[in-house]
Amino acid sequence: DTGVSQNPRHKITKRGQNVTFRCDPISEHNRLYWYRQTLGQGPEFLTYFQNEAQLEKSRLLSDRFSAERPKGSFSTLEIQRTEQGDSAMYLCASSTKETQYFGPGTRLLVL
Amino acid sequence: QKEVEQNSGPLSVPEGAIASLNCTYSDRGSQSFFWYRQYSGKSPELIMSIYSNGDKEDGRFTAQLNKASQYVSLLIRDSQPSDSATYLCAVNRDGNYGGATNKLIFGTGTLLAVQP
Repeated sequence: DTGVSQNPRHKITKRGQNVTFRCDPISEHNRLYWYRQTLGQGPEFLTYFQNEAQLEKSRLLSDRFSAERPKGSFSTLEIQRTEQGDSAMYLCASSTKETQYFGPGTRLLVL
Repeated sequence: QKEVEQNSGPLSVPEGAIASLNCTYSDRGSQSFFWYRQYSGKSPELIMSIYSNGDKEDGRFTAQLNKASQYVSLLIRDSQPSDSATYLCAVNRDGNYGGATNKLIFGTGTLLAVQP
């Protein structure tokens, strides 16, 4: 069990560019979550996968955001046409039941 | 009213003292409750989970749940400077698609500072 991993750990991009983040969950975990955290706030739920199916998306997830989990293993989160307001820590978590374990996060800065 | 409320702090306690962190939640349907610790610039790390009314102890940590009053607390005994961090309270929420998502709703966290 190597834990949840995320790549890249840091990303700096210019406004209008597209970015993609990857999450590798704990191997036996069929549930995968994406959250976003801004300074001084708790993480906010973005989307949920059970195996390869994306079962729920938050209203926070605008049309510029898309997530996939092909084959029910790793997941990617893509942000198109980034805006300065997208600057945040993007956290991935995985679980088999209620308890979620978080990865180290990807810190995004949009200039 | 926020779904999960915590005092943002900072809560300052001397080394060796008991730190008491509190959290209230609004959804009576919540069934699972979690405390995460988050060091500055790092991701949340699970400290405790609690599902039933009463106390749950794990080492220096005790979680307390009172569903009737809709609050959950975390006690840290013999506080150490290494306990200085933000403590996040989280409650589960079912999905809006008709199934169980168990997504977590977080409070804003309480900053704990343990003074040597």
